[in-house]
Amino acid sequence: AQSVTQLDSQVPVFEEAPVELRCNYSSSVSVYLFWYVQYPNQGLQLLLKYLSGSTLVKGINGFEAEFNKSQTSFHLRKPSVHISDTAEYFCAVSDNQGNNDMRFGAGTRLTVKP
Amino acid sequence: NAGVTQTPKFRVLKTGQSMTLLCAQDMNHEYMYWYRQDPGMGLRLIHYSVGEGTTAKGEVPDGYNVSRLKKQNFLLGLESAAPSQTSVYFCASSPIAGGHPYGQYFGPGTRLTVL
Repeated sequence: AQSVTQLDSQVPVFEEAPVELRCNYSSSVSVYLFWYVQYPNQGLQLLLKYLSGSTLVKGINGFEAEFNKSQTSFHLRKPSVHISDTAEYFCAVSDNQGNNDMRFGAGTRLTVKP
Repeated sequence: NAGVTQTPKFRVLKTGQSMTLLCAQDMNHEYMYWYRQDPGMGLRLIHYSVGEGTTAKGEVPDGYNVSRLKKQNFLLGLESAAPSQTSVYFCASSPIAGGHPYGQYFGPGTRLTVL
């Protein structure tokens, strides 16, 4: 089965600074990759996804991620963060075999400070 | 269009008590999932359903049972609650298997504490 490792459990950053949240995955087959965001006391919302094609994927709220097959990574980036981006971010992977096995990383808590 | 809703939002149980969590979706999705979220462990799949009347085990199914009698509802039951089941439970749904290419749609969660 596939697995996901989020390399940072917490990332503090100042407002308007750039940020990168790191995600590495492991799988023996081709994968689909997702980033979800969870605001306090809410469920998860899909931020962006990579299915195929262009390795640079743009999502909501100015976030983007780049799929790197050789490094098995799918890092999330934003050039300038806002206070409202404070949330927990989850990377997830599923294979493209049509099953229901989506695996989530442990999460990265992004805290944006004024 | 309410999306995915969960009932209740909070619950406190004593060890050995039973309860049922209800998940409802109004998007006519075939697939529904129950996850638990624990600090430092992300989300782990408990059980899932690929359609009305069908259920299957996920990564951590022990101590839980599920039922999908109606397409729009997915129930998660704890027959004899244990402190290890203290967690936040999320329900999700998707139109096709695994959620791809749309991702999964999540409910707001149920925070369960077992004393």
